[in-house]
This record gives sequence, structure tokens and C-alpha cells, in this order.
Amino acid sequence: AQSVTQLDSQVPVFEEAPVELRCNYSSSVSVYLFWYVQYPNQGLQLLLKYLSGSTLVKGINGFEAEFNKSQTSFHLRKPSVHISDTAEYFCAVRSTSGTYKYIFGTGTRLKVLA
Amino acid sequence: KAGVTQTPRYLIKTRGQQVTLSCSPISGHRSVSWYQQTPGQGLQFLFEYFSETQRNKGNFPGRFSGRQFSNSRSEMNVSTLELGDSALYLCASSADTSSYNEQFFGPGTRLTVL
Repeated sequence: AQSVTQLDSQVPVFEEAPVELRCNYSSSVSVYLFWYVQYPNQGLQLLLKYLSGSTLVKGINGFEAEFNKSQTSFHLRKPSVHISDTAEYFCAVRSTSGTYKYIFGTGTRLKVLA
Repeated sequence: KAGVTQTPRYLIKTRGQQVTLSCSPISGHRSVSWYQQTPGQGLQFLFEYFSETQRNKGNFPGRFSGRQFSNSRSEMNVSTLELGDSALYLCASSADTSSYNEQFFGPGTRLTVL
């Protein structure tokens, strides 16, 4: 079985400041890792994913995430946030075998302040 | 390509009624998944369909059911509605069931049970 923990339910940050959204996972099998973003009144869209290779993954809108196998973490970072980054961010895992469902974290609401 | 569409966008029902939600995936996508999103719970997986067959099922009571048609469109049904069924129901499609494929989400159907 797999589980995903997003430690912060809300993160307020000032515009142009850096931000890190934390994600830890637990799994007895190999997993792929994903970050999705949900803007108000919209569905989720993919920010980035880690499948294999370099542990630093770059995504859309200037976001990046680093896979740390020993700490079972996949934290999302952005060096300078904008007001438009205000949204809810979800970390997700899925078994590499393909027979298991996506497991999503409970989400982190990022609030960018002017 | 048109995105994932869900109808209706908003729905108000009373306890004991039943409801059917519809999802049209991106053209060419054959896998459709359904999620229930509630504040604090994040996304809870309901079920996944591929080529008209249910591949995975989440931990929801039998009141929740779904199906997929030959054109990949999917419906989910909730019978004997309860107050706790109030949520945003999201549909997501992907090309196939490969674990590394991202899911493309629709805007959701917001169900309110009174």
C-alpha cells in the first residue's frame, strides 16, 4: 500500500519570495511521483513528474521538485512566486507496475501575498 | 484538442435521491478515473475504467457505481444520497493505463446534498 503526506495544509508567502511545499510518501514498491496544481474552480493540471533519471525535475511555471529516495520525499520549490501561483497543490504517487491507483496527498493551499 | 468535459457542473439533490454524473474524456483517451474531493480529505479515488472494464476500485460503498461506454465516455452514479456525499467529483482521463502517464482532469461536478 502507498500513502502520501503533505505536511502543510496552508502556506502563506509574500510575492517574489521562495517557497517549498513538502511531500513525503510511503510505499513498499517502486513509484512514480507527480505534482498537480488546482486553480480555483478548475480541475487539476500536471506541474511535473518524476519517472527516473535525474532526481531534480523541472516543471511548468518555474516550479521544480527533487526526489530524495532515502528520505522518501518529493518537495516542490519555486525561487520566486507570483500572485498567480495562488492555488492548491497536490502531490501524488502511483506504483510503477501500473496496477495500482493514483494516491493523492490532502493538498497544500499556497497563498501568495502582495 | 478539447479537454475533459463534465456535466453538469453543479447539482443540488436531497437525501435519498440518486444522481448520475457524466464525463467525456479527451479524444483518443481510453482510461477514465473518478475522484471525490472534499476539504481536508484531498482526492479520494473512486474507480478507474479502461475499455469499458473497471480496473481499479477505491474504498467507497456500493452506492457508488460507474460505467464506461464504447466511445470511452463514462458515467458515475450515486444512489440513496447522504449529506456526506456533498463534494466535488472530478473525472480524469489518460491515454492508457500506463503508470507514467499523466491524468488530465475535468473541471468537476459540484454536488450538494441537502
